[in-house]
Amino acid sequence: DTAVSQTPKYLVTQMGNDKSIKCEQNLGHDTMYWYKQDSKKFLKIMFSYNNKELIINETVPNRFSPKSPDKAHLNLHINSLELGDSAVYFCASSHSGGNQPQHFGDGTRLSIL
Amino acid sequence: GDSVTQMEGPVTLSEEAFLTINCTYTATGYPSLFWYVQYPGEGLQLLLKATKADDKGSNKGFEATYRKETTSFHLEKGSVQVSDSAVYFCALSDDVGGAQKLVFGQGTRLTINP
Repeated sequence: DTAVSQTPKYLVTQMGNDKSIKCEQNLGHDTMYWYKQDSKKFLKIMFSYNNKELIINETVPNRFSPKSPDKAHLNLHINSLELGDSAVYFCASSHSGGNQPQHFGDGTRLSIL
Repeated sequence: GDSVTQMEGPVTLSEEAFLTINCTYTATGYPSLFWYVQYPGEGLQLLLKATKADDKGSNKGFEATYRKETTSFHLEKGSVQVSDSAVYFCALSDDVGGAQKLVFGQGTRLTINP
């Protein structure tokens, strides 16, 4: 039933480690996104893929690498984790087009020790 | 670049009070405008949207009107409930090669007391 699902829900790890977050949507959307929400709740887009092609790539350190194996999946891999990477990461999906609503997952809370 | 500014929170009201959360935007074109709501521990959910000037979006008793002349999209509800307690985000969208780049305001935390 879940429309946009992310795993894991919580991720606690040490500085310097490499980790991945997975996202899957079953809504038939062709566009997927990753957002970062900081401790003050501010939300900023990181990446977007449309039909498996990278369309939006905001100013994000190249330690962050998105991968879209197909239209229903968009994973986020993070190398050499830093303290500042601690945040909640949200995956979202939508149909193409500027006025299409986005559907969000429940988020992955990443904590760096 | 495009930006969205929301009224500072947190906002605390009593049940049945009237709610207004102000939102203004800066954009070079004519973006679509959205309000999203985030309940504790959850992702964002679309509350309402408006795609052109003078459109009114409405849902669950909430309303917002796209005002091009004042570049605003204020959220209103006539009588709030405890279950409306959440964080509310105003956003505009730019169509970027088929993808939709959402630019969010800073969010307004709303608490409704019984």
